[in-house]
Amino acid sequence: AQSVTQLDSQVPVFEEAPVELRCNYSSSVSVYLFWYVQYPNQGLQLLLKYLSGSTLVKGINGFEAEFNKSQTSFHLRKPSVHISDTAEYFCAVSGSARQLTFGSGTQLTVLP
Amino acid sequence: DTGVSQDPRHKITKRGQNVTFRCDPISEHNRLYWYRQTLGQGPEFLTYFQNEAQLEKSRLLSDRFSAERPKGSFSTLEIQRTEQGDSAMYLCASSLLVGDKAYEQYFGPGTRLTVT
Repeated sequence: AQSVTQLDSQVPVFEEAPVELRCNYSSSVSVYLFWYVQYPNQGLQLLLKYLSGSTLVKGINGFEAEFNKSQTSFHLRKPSVHISDTAEYFCAVSGSARQLTFGSGTQLTVLP
Repeated sequence: DTGVSQDPRHKITKRGQNVTFRCDPISEHNRLYWYRQTLGQGPEFLTYFQNEAQLEKSRLLSDRFSAERPKGSFSTLEIQRTEQGDSAMYLCASSLLVGDKAYEQYFGPGTRLTVT
């Protein structure tokens, strides 16, 4: 069985400040890890993914994440956020069965 | 490539009625997934298809729910005798499985169901 914990339900941050959204997972098998973003009343858009290889993963819109196997974490970071980054962010894990298990989400609010 | 599409985008129905949603995946994708998302929560897996075969169903998928993917193309999700607890966003996603390597899932815009 797999599970995902997103440690912060809401993260307010000022524009142009750095941000980190935290994600921890548990799994008994090798995993694939993902971050998705969801804007109001829309589906999910893939930000980045870790399938194998380099533990530092770069995604769209300037986001990056680091896979840490020993700490079972996959935190999302951006060095400088914009108003347009305001959205709900979901961390997800996929094991051998391929379906995604999502965390409960982190609402990122970028303040002017 | 137009992405994953879902129809309708919104559905309001009365308790006890049946509803059907449609999902059109990305054309070359052989896997199709259904998820349900309630307010303030992450999506929860319901079921998935490999081509036309339904390979797994979550315990969340009660016997009032049925999904099909005839000919391995579009899929439908039907809910019979809807209940207020069925109110949620229903998301469809598709992905490509090559050998034993699965690629990322691409999501549609969702169908928001409101049961009154």
